[in-house]
Amino acid sequence: DIQMTQSPSSVSASVGDRVTITCRASQGISTWLAWYQQKPGKAPKLLIYTASTLQSGVPSRFSGSGSGTDFTLTISSLQPEDFATYYCQQANSSPLTFGGGTKVEIK
Amino acid sequence: EVQLLESGGGLVQPGGSLRLSCAASGFTFSNYVMSWVRQAPGKGLEWVSVISVTGGTIYYADSVKGRFTISRDNSRNTVYLQMNRLRGEDTALYYCAKGGGAAMANWFDSWGQGTLVTVSS
Repeated sequence: DIQMTQSPSSVSASVGDRVTITCRASQGISTWLAWYQQKPGKAPKLLIYTASTLQSGVPSRFSGSGSGTDFTLTISSLQPEDFATYYCQQANSSPLTFGGGTKVEIK
Repeated sequence: EVQLLESGGGLVQPGGSLRLSCAASGFTFSNYVMSWVRQAPGKGLEWVSVISVTGGTIYYADSVKGRFTISRDNSRNTVYLQMNRLRGEDTALYYCAKGGGAAMANWFDSWGQGTLVTVSS
């Protein structure tokens, strides 16, 4: 199974800050990686797929990069509605696996 | 607009069974793989199972293999999860999720609101 490791597990940031979240796969997955945002009491929402493709309707302040084993999600200028938990997920092979999540909190 | 509506959750005793349903609308159901993903209270996301567009190929997480069965009815635009021999660690919010395409390994571009399964005596 492919293990997905996210860091940090939590980050405190202010509105307007640049935030970067890292995801590492235990083996190469090319660009078969997705990022999700989840707010309390809500279902996850797809932000990015194939490592860097922005899902329709997602603001351009979100961006993704990476290939192989190392990936990043960047929020260029944090907005109040971005405080949430973010998950990466590998879409390379079954079993599909998620990272442990990164909670973005208000500083 | 894509809509996924889960039902069938509830309180069940250890060793019991439940059948979850997910009614889909707003897209051509038979063109997309469908998955179940669960989230235990206060925990992260765990993929449970995926079914191919025809239902002919199915994968499960090791944690549920042999106890859960996924199926789909393309005429009813519905995917199911039959859960048997339930354990306390199966307690979670169960989400139905639409795959991004027809590939078995995929991302999830739409999610339902979830149905809560509680396994307790």
